[in-house]
Amino acid sequence: DAMVIQNPRYQVTQFGKPVTLSCSQTLNHNVMYWYQQKSSQAPKLLFHYYDKDFNNEADTPDNFQSRRPNTSFCFLDIRSPGLGDAAMYLCATTKKKGTFSYEQYFGPGTRLTVT
Amino acid sequence: AQSVTQLDSHVSVSEGTPVLLRCNYSSSYSPSLFWYVQHPNKGLQLLLKYTSAATLVKGINGFEAEFKKSETSFHLTKPSAHMSDAAEYFCVVRGNEKLTFGTGTRLTIIP
Repeated sequence: DAMVIQNPRYQVTQFGKPVTLSCSQTLNHNVMYWYQQKSSQAPKLLFHYYDKDFNNEADTPDNFQSRRPNTSFCFLDIRSPGLGDAAMYLCATTKKKGTFSYEQYFGPGTRLTVT
Repeated sequence: AQSVTQLDSHVSVSEGTPVLLRCNYSSSYSPSLFWYVQHPNKGLQLLLKYTSAATLVKGINGFEAEFKKSETSFHLTKPSAHMSDAAEYFCVVRGNEKLTFGTGTRLTIIP
């Protein structure tokens, strides 16, 4: 089945130790997103790629970076995780044609714990 | 700018009774609206979507929603709740390629 896959599902890192979260998709969608979702809150968009074009949200901290080496993969790098970065990180994809976007498909998420 | 307001942060219903989760939207143009469901420690699953076709939209698992432009509402309903419906539900509006989420409604099913 075509899907959005996130690895790992659970990640524990130490305060200040860089961590990378992975997302892959078999949907051949040209847009990929990263969201941060803290407990009992709605997902918050961090950034997205439209093909190779990176689009950062204005309030996304510099501590968060992303890479998209090809259509299928997208990575979220947290350079120096703080305790406040503990959250569920959700990857989503969509197909965009011209100005029209289809619905977003979400992965299962990676729950990040910072110790 | 667009936004959605979910009117209830928590709804409790008995198993077998109807479910109503309320959502109002604000948009300067004809919106695309979605309902997503999130079970604990899981990603978001699309329940249904409205994209300016039929105003009554049927989704998965027996859910449906009605787009009412005059009331700027997109309420989610289900005739008979099941224990497996217990989850967080998000009403979402799309602009360009970005989604704006409501604050979520936690649905609890009473056995």
